[in-house]
Amino acid sequence: EIVMTQSPATLSVSPGERATLSCRASQSVTSSLAWYQQKPGQAPRLLIYGASTRATGIPDRFSGSGSGTEFTLTISRLQSEDFAVYYCQQYNNWPPITFGQGTRLEIK
Amino acid sequence: EVQLVESGGGLVQPGGSLRLSCAASGFTFSNFYMSWVRQAPGKALEWVSATSGSGISTYYADSVKGRLTTSRANSKNTLYLQMNSLRVEDTAMYYCAKGFPGVPAAGVFENWGQGTLVTVSS
Repeated sequence: EIVMTQSPATLSVSPGERATLSCRASQSVTSSLAWYQQKPGQAPRLLIYGASTRATGIPDRFSGSGSGTEFTLTISRLQSEDFAVYYCQQYNNWPPITFGQGTRLEIK
Repeated sequence: EVQLVESGGGLVQPGGSLRLSCAASGFTFSNFYMSWVRQAPGKALEWVSATSGSGISTYYADSVKGRLTTSRANSKNTLYLQMNSLRVEDTAMYYCAKGFPGVPAAGVFENWGQGTLVTVSS
């Protein structure tokens, strides 16, 4: 099973600034990496797939990068609605599909 | 517009059973892999199972294998999760999710339902 590790667990950033979230895979997942955003009481929302492709309707302040085992989600010009929990997920070699433990992005 | 609506959650005693349903609309249901993903209170997302468009191929997480069974009725555009021998640790919000076309992209969850809560407690 591929283990996904996200860091940091919690990230405090001021609105208008940039947030950088990291995700590491225990073995290569090539570019088969997705990012999801989840707000309290809501289902997750797909942000990024293929490590760097934005899903439909996702604003361009969200960007993904990386391949192999190291990945980054960058959110530039943070807005109030961006404060949420973010999960990375690998789908290169499944089953099983595996998620990271999440990064909570909070307002500084 | 794609819609996924789960139902069937509730309170059940350890060792009991429950069947969840996910009603799908807005797309050709039989063409897509569908998955169940769960989230225990305050915890991370956990993939549970996935089934191919035809229902012939179904995969499970080790934590549920032999106890939870996924099936689908394409004529009714509905996905099911039969949950048997339930444990306290199965307590979670259960989401159904639609994958991208093809494999392995079927593991990208483009659309999610609102979830149905399963509580296993005596």
